[in-house]
Amino acid sequence: EAQVTQNPRYLITVTGKKLTVTCSQNMNHEYMSWYRQDPGLGLRQIYYSMNVEVTDKGDVPEGYKVSRKEKRNFPLILESPSPNQTSLYFCASSLWSGSRVPYEQYFGPGTRLTVT
Amino acid sequence: DQQVKQNSPSLSVQEGRISILNCDYTNSMFDYFLWYKKYPAEGPTFLISISSIKDKNEDGRFTVFLNKSAKHLSLHIVPSQPGDSAVYFCAASATGNQFYFGTGTSLTVIP
Repeated sequence: EAQVTQNPRYLITVTGKKLTVTCSQNMNHEYMSWYRQDPGLGLRQIYYSMNVEVTDKGDVPEGYKVSRKEKRNFPLILESPSPNQTSLYFCASSLWSGSRVPYEQYFGPGTRLTVT
Repeated sequence: DQQVKQNSPSLSVQEGRISILNCDYTNSMFDYFLWYKKYPAEGPTFLISISSIKDKNEDGRFTVFLNKSAKHLSLHIVPSQPGDSAVYFCAASATGNQFYFGTGTSLTVIP
């Protein structure tokens, strides 16, 4: 089954304790992206990647890191989480045309993160 | 600053009637627009898209209209069904890899 998986689905942590949220897709998609969803703000893009070793900042990258060492995986790293990073996080993947034409994104089920 | 806005947080419609969800944007460089549907405890799923060279795109019960001069798009669902009850997000892109989403509209279709 074609899917995007995220782990963990729920995480409660404390300020400053480094954490990683994993994301994996089995559709051989070139493009992957991370979003956070907050009430009243909708979905906001954190980082995206067009292919292995190619990443770029989205709208709200501060406090986050990503890496793309393999095509299927795109982990999101919070090196020193703070309470304002409490949010619902979504990973997504899609084909990549190499042009301005976007393909539909397939989203994972979400990771609810609470930082106390 | 929110570049994509959905000014109606919620909408209720009777089953069988038309649902119209609206979206406004500020960046004239946006040239692709997409609609996603989201059920609780799930990730968004793609619904329909439109390029700025078109003013309408249809897929079954779903039609998206784009008014570039007004920087406005709308999603029409006809006829509305109870299974359409979900949160709908519009998204816009100018580059094909950066996306700006609206705040979402929660649609309730009443049987």
